[in-house]
Parts: sequence; structure tokens; C-alpha cells
Amino acid sequence: KQEVTQIPAALSVPEGENLVLNCSFTDSAIYNLQWFRQDPGKGLTSLLLIQSSQREQTSGRLNASLDKSSGRSTLYIAASQPGDSATYLCAVNEGAQKLVFGQGTRLTINP
Amino acid sequence: EAGVAQSPRYKIIEKRQSVAFWCNPISGHATLYWYQQILGQGPKLLIQFQNNGVVDDSQLPKDRFSAERLKGVDSTLKIQPAKLEDSAVYLCASSWEFSGRGTDTQYFGPGTRLTVL
Repeated sequence: KQEVTQIPAALSVPEGENLVLNCSFTDSAIYNLQWFRQDPGKGLTSLLLIQSSQREQTSGRLNASLDKSSGRSTLYIAASQPGDSATYLCAVNEGAQKLVFGQGTRLTINP
Repeated sequence: EAGVAQSPRYKIIEKRQSVAFWCNPISGHATLYWYQQILGQGPKLLIQFQNNGVVDDSQLPKDRFSAERLKGVDSTLKIQPAKLEDSAVYLCASSWEFSGRGTDTQYFGPGTRLTVL
């Protein structure tokens, strides 16, 4: 059974810092891995999707990497801003669009 | 384009009562998902529809939960009777018809927060 773990559960950093969020998964047989953002009272917004054949994806200040063989992914956020404060979730696609989510990392950026 | 719509946004009920949630996916999206997100956890897939057929309902507690998507568009999720542990946010998501290439992004609605007292 696929298990997805995110560390740390919560992170608080000052504005302007670069930071890394971690995600690990137990079964490397995945189609892709996605990083989502969740704001309080709102649904999830997809940030980046990495196909199983890819090593990384970039969007603006965000960079996500995937090491399928070791079952790890990282989300790198450069020059953090208070607007980046949210919960970040990673999810692996096991096929047929079945997503298995981690428990999330609650990120707080302090002005 | 309009996003995924859900209603109600909040619901408070007593245990053993019944409750229903409604979801309207993005126009043209053939695949619809219902997730349960308990506080402090990631979403867990309850049921996945492709048009009006069920693709996966392996994690749906069928003794008390039911879902339907009769015309292949909007969907309802029902809980009867509710238990305390059903307190959670229920998220609906939709995507284009599954292509098998694993490239389809799911778009999520704002969710319905259920509190069972």
C-alpha cells in the first residue's frame, strides 16, 4: 500500500529565505507526482506536476524535483513571500488518476 | 472558465442524522472525484466517476456513504447515518477524461466542512 510522508509538518521562516519541503513515498511505481497548495477554507491548487520520467519541473520561484528510485521529492521555494503562507501537499498518481496524498506541510512566512 | 462548485460550504449535524453534498464539475470534465480530508491529514479518495460510471470506490464506507452522478455531470455524496468520525472537509474535484498518459490535472472545489456533534 502506497504511503506518502511529508516532513516537516509545519515550518516558519522569515520573508526572503529560500526553503525546501520534503515528500517521500514507499512505492516507486507511480505515473507522476504533484505538488498542491491549500489555503484555509479553499480547495487545492495544483502547483507543479512531474512525470515519472522527469527529474524536475520549474514554475516561477518554485522548483520541484523527483527521485523515483529513492522515493523522494522536494519542493524548493526561492525568495519566500508572506503570500506563500499555506499548506503544501504532495500527491503521487498510482495510475487511473488515483492520487495518494501526504499529510501536508503548513508553511508560515513571517514579514 | 468557472471552477468546481460545491454546496453547502458548511454543515453541522447531530450524529445519526443524514447529510448530502452537491458538486458541479468544470464543464466538459468527464471525471469527477470525491475526497475526504480530516483535520491535519491529506485528502483521501472516496470515489471516482468517469462520466456516470464508477471507476474506484474501494475506500468508500458503503454501509453509510453513497454517491451518484446520474447524468454524468453533477454529483451528490450522501452520508446516512453520520458518525462523529465523519467530521471532515469533503472535497470534489474534476478532470478531463482519463487519457492514460497520467498528465491530467485535477481541479478542486472549495470543499464542504462537515461537523458532526
